[in-house]
Amino acid sequence: SQTIHQWPATLVQPVGSPLSLECTVEGTSNPNLYWYRQAAGRGLQLLFYSVGIGQISSEVPQNLSASRPQDRQFILSSKKLLLSDSGFYLCATKRWSQGKETQYFGPGTRLLVL
Amino acid sequence: QKEVEQNSGPLSVPEGAIASLNCTYSDRVSQSFFWYRQYSGKSPELIMSIYSNGDKEDGRFTAQLNKASQYVSLLIRDSQPSDSATYLCAVIPGTYKYIFGTGTRLKVLA
Repeated sequence: SQTIHQWPATLVQPVGSPLSLECTVEGTSNPNLYWYRQAAGRGLQLLFYSVGIGQISSEVPQNLSASRPQDRQFILSSKKLLLSDSGFYLCATKRWSQGKETQYFGPGTRLLVL
Repeated sequence: QKEVEQNSGPLSVPEGAIASLNCTYSDRVSQSFFWYRQYSGKSPELIMSIYSNGDKEDGRFTAQLNKASQYVSLLIRDSQPSDSATYLCAVIPGTYKYIFGTGTRLKVLA
């Protein structure tokens, strides 16, 4: 079965500093990968998704970027963090059950920008 | 922007009661519907999925879908304090994207 690893688990960064969050997936090959952000009091917002190595689609224009250097590795980056980047960042994949797809989430990274 | 709406709560129910959580969605072409449970500080976990009109039962959970009225609900029977969490409704509106509601916070009082 699939396992998603995310690190770091928590992060406190000053405004204007860079960011790199990593997600790796075990137990599957060529997964669809997603980055979501959950800000306080808000729903899950899809930021990026990827269907393969080097293929990234951006859902929300902002100061974040994503990369997929390897099949099961997905990285979220920023050159300069904003206060509004604070939130809970979740990596997700598709999981299939009884012929239907569902979204399966990793443990998340909690980011606080001060 | 496709929308999924939920009452933020908190919804407070006594232990052993039925908790009823509701969700409405705006895109009529939506075909897949999900309920996720999210404990404080944790990532969401899938508890129910439903694709056809009517009811779907899984243990103490029942999902109900009414596509004509564009709502999906989740009933939790015999609510337990361990059910206290935020419940997220999610919809796939005919594309690859999941659209999530902001969630309803449920508190089960012992």
